[in-house]
Amino acid sequence: AQSVTQPDIHITVSEGASLELRCNYSYGATPYLFWYVQSPGQGLQLLLKYFSGDTLVQGIKGFEAEFKRSQSSFNLRKPSVHWSDAAEYFCAVGGDSGGYQKVTFGTGTKLQVIP
Amino acid sequence: SAVISQKPSRDICQRGTSLTIQCQVDSQVTMMFWYRQQPGQSLTLIATANQGSEATYESGFVIDKFPISRPNLTFSTLTVSNMSPEDSSIYLCSVEVYNEQFFGPGTRLTVL
Repeated sequence: AQSVTQPDIHITVSEGASLELRCNYSYGATPYLFWYVQSPGQGLQLLLKYFSGDTLVQGIKGFEAEFKRSQSSFNLRKPSVHWSDAAEYFCAVGGDSGGYQKVTFGTGTKLQVIP
Repeated sequence: SAVISQKPSRDICQRGTSLTIQCQVDSQVTMMFWYRQQPGQSLTLIATANQGSEATYESGFVIDKFPISRPNLTFSTLTVSNMSPEDSSIYLCSVEVYNEQFFGPGTRLTVL
């Protein structure tokens, strides 16, 4: 069965500092990997996705993530955090489930940005 | 992409009652998905709904508690039946388009 682990429940960074959110996945084949962001009272927004090809993927809002098969990781990074980045971030893995993609979410990492 | 709307956006209900949540997509899609997000928790898949057939439920979820309808390729409903305070959650509808899942804004349900 596929699974996702986000080891950090809560992270606090200063505005302007760099950010890395960790994600480890378990899946038998090459996975589809996603990062979503959920701001308070808002729906889920896709930041970026990895399906195949270049292991470094660029997303919206200046985020990027790197797929490392050897480490089963898909960490999310941003070089300089803005106060508006404060939100909850979910890593997810998708796998084929008989004609459609079944997506499993991690438990999320809540990001706090301090001035 | 896909634009998804849900009704209601939020509701407060009494225990023992039922609530039906509607999900409308702006394009025809084969599969629709219903998720639950309990307070402070991640998303958990409830069921997958394919047009014209019965929904497929994940472990821990049953049709009697969460009946789903899928009358056409752009619409689905999820009913939360015989509610208890433990059903207080955000319920989200999603669709898959080209291997990417798009989510509705969610329905925030509070059961008293």
